[in-house]
Amino acid sequence: GENVEQHPSTLSVQEGDSAVIKCTYSDSASNYFPWYKQELGKRPQLIIDIRSNVGEKKDQRIAVTLNKTAKHFSLHITETQPEDSAVYFCAASKGSGGFKTIFGAGTRLFVKA
Amino acid sequence: SQTIHQWPATLVQPVGSPLSLECTVEGTSNPNLYWYRQAAGRGLQLLFYSVGIGQISSEVPQNLSASRPQDRQFILSSKKLLLSDSGFYLCAWGVDGNSPLHFGNGTRLTVT
Repeated sequence: GENVEQHPSTLSVQEGDSAVIKCTYSDSASNYFPWYKQELGKRPQLIIDIRSNVGEKKDQRIAVTLNKTAKHFSLHITETQPEDSAVYFCAASKGSGGFKTIFGAGTRLFVKA
Repeated sequence: SQTIHQWPATLVQPVGSPLSLECTVEGTSNPNLYWYRQAAGRGLQLLFYSVGIGQISSEVPQNLSASRPQDRQFILSSKKLLLSDSGFYLCAWGVDGNSPLHFGNGTRLTVT
C-alpha cells in the first residue's frame, strides 16, 4: 500500500541554524505534498504545500522541494526560532482513488535558544 | 468560512464500553471526511475516510467503525473499547486529494 517515510524522527538545532526534514513516498501517482506543524496537544496545521508540477516553493523562512523522479520531498526551515519547536509531518495524496492523505511518522524539532 | 467541530475534547472510558465520537463541518458541501488516530508521541494513522453520505472506506481492520449519516457529519464508533484504542482522535475534512486537510481540535481518549 501507500507509504510515506520521514527522517529524522528527532532534530535538535541551535536558534538561527537551519533545519531540514526529508520524506520519501511510495505511490508514484501522488501529486500533492503538504507539510503540517503540530504543537503539543493541538491539531496539525498546514504550513506549506507543493504540487507535482512545481519543484520548489518558498514562504518566508520555510521552503519545500520536490523531486518526483526520486519520489523525495523536503522541508527547509531557515533562521530557526524557539517557536518553531513542534512536530512536523509530511504527507502525500493524489486526486483520485479516494483522496487519501498518508502521513509520515513525524519529526520532533527542538530549537535551542 | 468553513469550520469543523469535534467532541468531546477528552474522554475516559473503561475497557469494554462503547464509544461514539462526532464530527461536523460547516460552511462547505460534500466534503471528504477523515478520521485519524495518533498514539502518544506517534504519527497520524488513517482509520476511515468518506467521499459522500453512506460511503465509508476503512484503512485499518479493528474494532472501530465509522458512519456518515449526513453530508457534513462523521461519526466514529466502537461497541467494545480495548486498551489499545487509547489515543488522540482527529477528524478532518478536505476538498479533494490536491488540497490540504483541515483538522478538528481532536478528542483525547483514555481507555482504562
